[in-house]
Amino acid sequence: RKEVEQDPGPFNVPEGATVAFNCTYSNSASQSFFWYRQDCRKEPKLLMSVYSSGNEDGRFTAQLNRASQYISLLIRDSKLSDSATYLCVVRGSNYKLTFGKGTLLTVNP
Amino acid sequence: ETGVTQTPRHLVMGMTNKKSLKCEQHLGHNAMYWYKQSAKKPLELMFVYNFKEQTENNSVPSRFSPECPNSSHLFLHLHTLQPEDSALYLCASSPERGGGQETQYFGPGTRLLVL
Repeated sequence: RKEVEQDPGPFNVPEGATVAFNCTYSNSASQSFFWYRQDCRKEPKLLMSVYSSGNEDGRFTAQLNRASQYISLLIRDSKLSDSATYLCVVRGSNYKLTFGKGTLLTVNP
Repeated sequence: ETGVTQTPRHLVMGMTNKKSLKCEQHLGHNAMYWYKQSAKKPLELMFVYNFKEQTENNSVPSRFSPECPNSSHLFLHLHTLQPEDSALYLCASSPERGGGQETQYFGPGTRLLVL
């Protein structure tokens, strides 16, 4: 099993759609979880941290299921500007960040 | 946004050249990182510096040589690279390695092509 595995994508959705990304991780001792976004030919930027209780930031909702070692990101009412690659990131007990390959999202007008 | 800057942004070099990548962070952080991002692969951590000391080397070939003269600057010296080293090299910083504040801020990267 890969350390961090994401939906391969790509996802092509119309504006206004709701889209969900899934991610699984292999190390049960992982401590922190994040979603980063990376625009084409740009650097990754933190989108949001993911907490066990689930957390929401505007149109974005992140969920963590430690028992299943599963993380999700839900984007509601998609905008054209949401088009990017979404990276699932896990921090282990050694503080090392492990990145997934990313899922490409394209929101179409 | 100029929290973490990298130069050059693009670099083309031959296999016998020697070049250096530079990273500077203006965030007052104490940890700095080099990552490699190749096409269709996840980001790979290369080196970690915490308070100017190298704390991690992820089995990186010796043709990549990092240098951290102070907490704000990080270099990656390159020599006798191979074409498969062509990639986007990203620098990142965070307040402290292992300090609980692990949000990393990335620079724009140097896109390297080795011919």
